[in-house]
Amino acid sequence: EIVLTQSPGTLSLSPGERATLSCRASQSVSSSYLAWYQKKPGQAPRLLIYGASSRATGIADRFSGSGSGTDFTLTISRLEPEDFAVYFCQEYGSSRAFGQGTRLEIK
Amino acid sequence: EVQLLESGGGLVQPGGSLRLSCAASGFTFSNCAMSWVRQAPGKGLEWVSAITGSGGSTYYADSVKGRSTISRDNSKNTLYLQMNSLRAEDTAIYYCTKGSTASRPYYFDYWGQGTLVTVSS
Repeated sequence: EIVLTQSPGTLSLSPGERATLSCRASQSVSSSYLAWYQKKPGQAPRLLIYGASSRATGIADRFSGSGSGTDFTLTISRLEPEDFAVYFCQEYGSSRAFGQGTRLEIK
Repeated sequence: EVQLLESGGGLVQPGGSLRLSCAASGFTFSNCAMSWVRQAPGKGLEWVSAITGSGGSTYYADSVKGRSTISRDNSKNTLYLQMNSLRAEDTAIYYCTKGSTASRPYYFDYWGQGTLVTVSS
């Protein structure tokens, strides 16, 4: 089973800054079957990225995904106030496993 | 507009049972795999169970295997999760999720608002 490790656990940044979130897999992710989700308190998770780099419908272009094999990155180019949340990566080709999450908080 | 509306959560004693439901609308239900994902208090997301679009194949996380049964009624556009022998560690918000295709591989492109299951005496 693939295990996903996200880093850092918490990222403290200010609005307008660039955020870089990492997701590392214990083994190679087949065909880049890697997704990113955003979770805010009291709200349902929202799909941001699938296929490692494809933005979901309605997602702002400041969100971008990259990577392949075992190393993947979610980048938020310029943070907006509404972007402060918890972000999870997920491998959906075999294990459906989620990473433990990265909390993006306002500095 | 895709909508997923969960129901059936509540307070149950250890060893008890609950049946969760998810009413789906806004898409062709039988064309999509469906899953349940949960989030325990202060924890991350955990995939629980999945079912193919036809209902012919089901899958379970080890944490619920043998205690839970996922099913669907494509004529009613409804997904179910029967949970038995509930434990304190099953306490979580349970989310109904829509898969991007009928069978694997698929990501979860829509999520419901969740239903809270609390297992406590």
